[in-house]
Amino acid sequence: QVHLVQSGAEVRKPGASVKVSCKASGYTFIKFVVHWVRQAPGQGPEWMGWINAANGNTRYSQKFQGRVTFTLDTSASTAYMELNSLKSEDTALYYCARDFEYCTGGSCPGYWGQGTQVTVSS
Amino acid sequence: DIQMTQSPSTLSASVGDRVTITCRASQSVNTWLAWYQQKPGKAPNFLIYKVSSLRSGVPSRFSGSGSGTEFTLTISSLQPDDSATYYCQQFHTYPWTFGQGTKVEIK
Repeated sequence: QVHLVQSGAEVRKPGASVKVSCKASGYTFIKFVVHWVRQAPGQGPEWMGWINAANGNTRYSQKFQGRVTFTLDTSASTAYMELNSLKSEDTALYYCARDFEYCTGGSCPGYWGQGTQVTVSS
Repeated sequence: DIQMTQSPSTLSASVGDRVTITCRASQSVNTWLAWYQQKPGKAPNFLIYKVSSLRSGVPSRFSGSGSGTEFTLTISSLQPDDSATYYCQQFHTYPWTFGQGTKVEIK
């Protein structure tokens, strides 16, 4: 059974950075892409990008390019998302999600973590 | 970016009703469309991929149709457990984009 467990809530000041972890279990970690998606209060989800756990290749949404970095620790079956230069508009729930096995690779966030609340406030 | 527009924003229906949600894309996404269900305080739950393929375990009362720029999610007989917000998502052109959601309420 696929299970993704994310790190706990974070509070940061504007201009700071945050790093969220996503520990996977129940499948072979390196076989699937991990997506990162955020959701601001009352809004629809916003896709940030993905990282291929097989080789570390990444695809970032242009909106976040230069400000976000996805990394892996394959020995720990864990993916990380680091977002820099935080602004108040970055306040949101951040989700990791494993790709769905029947979609073309990197297409469908099919199995989601529980979410990590990131609050940016002075 | 491809804009995904859902209608209505909210709908209220009775148990047993047939419910239809529409999702329109600002340009063709062919059949590269998925649907999600989200309940309050929970992560989105992946329901349907490639317009009409149900994920294993999703009740058969859910169905999807469409192609190009117009898509629908239908619940053939609404159940109390279906009370949630539904989102469409295109995976034709990066960045993947979601609709703003349709909240389904039970009368």
